[in-house]
Amino acid sequence: GAVVSQHPSWVICKSGTSVKIECRSLDFQATTMFWYRQFPKQSLMLMATSNEGSKATYEQGVEKDKFLINHASLTLSTLTVTSAHPEDSSFYICSARDQGGAIPEAFFGQGTRLTVV
Amino acid sequence: QQQVKQSPQSLIVQKGGISIINCAYENTAFDYFPWYQQFPGKGPALLIAIRPDVSEKKEGRFTISFNKSAKQFSLHIMDSQPGDSATYFCAASNPGNTPLVFGKGTRLSVIA
Repeated sequence: GAVVSQHPSWVICKSGTSVKIECRSLDFQATTMFWYRQFPKQSLMLMATSNEGSKATYEQGVEKDKFLINHASLTLSTLTVTSAHPEDSSFYICSARDQGGAIPEAFFGQGTRLTVV
Repeated sequence: QQQVKQSPQSLIVQKGGISIINCAYENTAFDYFPWYQQFPGKGPALLIAIRPDVSEKKEGRFTISFNKSAKQFSLHIMDSQPGDSATYFCAASNPGNTPLVFGKGTRLSVIA
């Protein structure tokens, strides 16, 4: 199946600093990518939809100024957590759908464990 | 508003047994119903998916059963193994390049 690669797998940062997470579609072009957040023992919650060449669409309650999304190419989207605080500690996962097949399967990155200290 | 309801929340199955996880949805516009397996600290991995024009799909030990009229779909894991112990999520999406809506997940433990 198609591969979505996410980097880094984990990161520890100090409160007040910013962290960038990269998401790449390795063998297909993704005009749209999705960013999810997952707290321990909970399901995935959609944060935002990243659109190549245009502004991201954020879900209700997600601060767009804190979670900056850039989708500069058809294979790369980045999520920057700005001025991170301990409450931002979570598991962040990106996803993209491969539009090339009969069914647009949705694939996920490996996830990024963010710990803010 | 949760659009996909998943049950049970947790499940314990004997090795070699059948694991069954159920999901129900409300939005009749959904046209894609995947199941994902997630191990701790990892992203969800696509197991199997179905479209509403098919009532059943089988891939190896994994089978999706789909009941369009009841707006329900389920995952059956045959000959369950300890390595299947993980969290399973059902999901659904609208047509097009749209995000998935997830169920709350089922923690499966397969014991020897």
